[in-house]
Amino acid sequence: KNQVEQSPQSLIILEGKNCTLQCNYTVSPFSNLRWYKQDTGRGPVSLTIMTFSENTKSNGRYTATLDADTKQSSLHITASQLSDSASYICVVSAYDFGNEKLTFGTGTRLTIIP
Amino acid sequence: EPEVTQTPSHQVTQMGQEVILRCVPISNHLYFYWYRQILGQKVEFLVSFYNNEISEKSEIFDDQFSVERPDGSNFTLKIRSTKLEDSAMYFCASSEGRNTEAFFGQGTRLTVV
Repeated sequence: KNQVEQSPQSLIILEGKNCTLQCNYTVSPFSNLRWYKQDTGRGPVSLTIMTFSENTKSNGRYTATLDADTKQSSLHITASQLSDSASYICVVSAYDFGNEKLTFGTGTRLTIIP
Repeated sequence: EPEVTQTPSHQVTQMGQEVILRCVPISNHLYFYWYRQILGQKVEFLVSFYNNEISEKSEIFDDQFSVERPDGSNFTLKIRSTKLEDSAMYFCASSEGRNTEAFFGQGTRLTVV
């Protein structure tokens, strides 16, 4: 069964500090891995999307890494801001007979405090 | 910037009633999706739609659910006879193609009473 596990479940850090969120997956056949930011009560917003051949991808202060061998990904946030407070969701895409299916992780709830 | 729009933002309905959730995907996108998120839980896939037909659906998407693209711009999710457990946030998403970014709407919060 395809699964995506994220850790930690929640994290509180001081404004200006860095943090790293983890994602482990067992999804097959792997197509791509995405990180989304979801503010409370809003739709997810894409941060990065990485295919099998990509090890790292950056989007401003967000840097995602992917190790397809160990089936792990991380999202590093640099110099956090209060607006970074949100849930961060790891989503893994699999293709099966031409159909794409996304498996969502439960998310990491990040709170930035001043 | 183009965006996926969903209406209504919040709908309250009585158990057993039919509801239709509406979405306008980004105009040049070809793939359309519905997801739901029960309060406090993770986002769950419901259905994907491509080339005017369902390409994939989850076990959640039973006979009570249906999707339609009636006029080339709207993409709707119909729940025929709502149950209390259908209460959730429903998200519509669209993408240009495979391995491309999926853009989500702001969601419709459905409350079944």
